[in-house]
Amino acid sequence: EAGVVQSPRYKIIEKKQPVAFWCNPISGHNTLYWYLQNLGQGPELLIRYENEEAVDDSQLPKDRFSAERLKGVDSTLKIQPAELGDSAVYLCASSLGGQPNTEAFFGQGTRLTVV
Amino acid sequence: DAKTTQPPSMDCAEGRAANLPCNHSTISGNEYVYWYRQIHSQGPQYIIHGLKNNETNEMASLIITEDRKSSTLILPHATLRDTAVYYCIVRNAGGTSYGKLTFGQGTILTVHP
Repeated sequence: EAGVVQSPRYKIIEKKQPVAFWCNPISGHNTLYWYLQNLGQGPELLIRYENEEAVDDSQLPKDRFSAERLKGVDSTLKIQPAELGDSAVYLCASSLGGQPNTEAFFGQGTRLTVV
Repeated sequence: DAKTTQPPSMDCAEGRAANLPCNHSTISGNEYVYWYRQIHSQGPQYIIHGLKNNETNEMASLIITEDRKSSTLILPHATLRDTAVYYCIVRNAGGTSYGKLTFGQGTILTVHP
């Protein structure tokens, strides 16, 4: 069974440019998470989806970040425009339901470098 | 969110048991303890989780104290490939942050030959 798939694996862009990350969760997983991980830090939640509904986006910087999960399966996270401080690893995770007793599985992440 | 406290780093000899402690004194009755690990340049890997009882799977054992204020992750026979950052997480069980995994700084486990 395939795990959580993210692309691209690496991305280098100039500041002020837009960038998008794609995530395909484990088949059947209705809960999807986007996390941000800065160097030397633990991941921090950006947004959580239950099917196509964003149920927790309180940590998402909405001035430049947006996300969508139109059909309740794969998801896209976008930054426009990117800033130097956005350089980080963007992680996607999925779980079978968002209950506290269901494991969440992570993808390999997309490493973004803004120059 | 209930906070966790872990030592910043630990060492272990290959083949020996690695015992990673975690304090979570503010944990609520319905919150689960989760352990993940992260090897360099990879996404976090799920290890194990539990509520009250001790748990064991093919990767590790989780020992939770009776008062649930602390827990220990046990890797019974550590290998060099177990070198990673280990995160102890109390998973939120209420409100808008229901099910949220809040990562701390974790413990850097280094397994030596």
